[in-house]
Amino acid sequence: AQSVTQLDSQVPVFEEAPVELRCNYSSSVSVYLFWYVQYPNQGLQLLLKYLSGSTLVKGINGFEAEFNKSQTSFHLRKPSVHISDTAEYFCAVSDLGGGGNKLTFGTGTQLKVEL
Amino acid sequence: EPEVTQTPSHQVTQMGQEVILRCVPISNHLYFYWYRQILGQKVEFLVSFYNNEISEKSEIFDDQFSVERPDGSNFTLKIRSTKLEDSAMYFCASSELVTNREQFFGPGTRLTVL
Repeated sequence: AQSVTQLDSQVPVFEEAPVELRCNYSSSVSVYLFWYVQYPNQGLQLLLKYLSGSTLVKGINGFEAEFNKSQTSFHLRKPSVHISDTAEYFCAVSDLGGGGNKLTFGTGTQLKVEL
Repeated sequence: EPEVTQTPSHQVTQMGQEVILRCVPISNHLYFYWYRQILGQKVEFLVSFYNNEISEKSEIFDDQFSVERPDGSNFTLKIRSTKLEDSAMYFCASSELVTNREQFFGPGTRLTVL
C-alpha cells in the first residue's frame, strides 16, 4: 500500500518570495509522483509529474519538483510566487504495477500568497 | 483545449435516494476514474474503469456504488441508497493511456445528502 504525507497544511508566504511545499511518500514498490493544484471551486489541474529520468522536473506556472528516492520525497518549489498561486496543492503517487493506475493523494497544502 | 465535464455541479438529495453523477471524459481517452473528497479531507480513489469493466476499486466502493459507460461519451457513477456520509465532492477523471499516467480531472459534483 502507498501513502503520501504533506506535513504542512497551510503555508503563508509573501508575494515574490520563494516557497517549498513538502511531500513524502511511502511505498513498497517504485512509484510515479505528481503534484496537482486546485483553485477555489475548480477541479484538480496537473502541475508536474515524475515518471522516470531526470529527478528535477519542471512544470507549469514556474513550479518545479525534485524526486529524492533515498529520502522518499518529492518537494515542490517555486523561486518567486505570485498572488495567483494561492490555491490548494496536492501531492499524489501511483505505483508502477497494476492496471488500475489509481492515484493516492496527500491531505493537501493550502498556499496563501500575501502582498 | 479538451476537458472533462461533470453534471450537475451540485446535487442535493434525501438520505436513501438514488443519485447518478454524470461525466463526459475527454473523447480519445480510454481510462476513467471516480474520486471523492469529503469536506476538509484528502481526495480518495473510488474506482477505475477500462474497456467497459472495472479495473480497480477501493474499499469505499461497496455494493451501493456502480459505474457505467452507457454510450460512447458518458461515464456515470450511481449511488443506490445515499447515506449522510456520502456527502462529498465527486471528481471524474480520464487518461489517454496508462503509460503517460496523466489523469485529467473534471470540476467535480458536490453531493449533499440531507
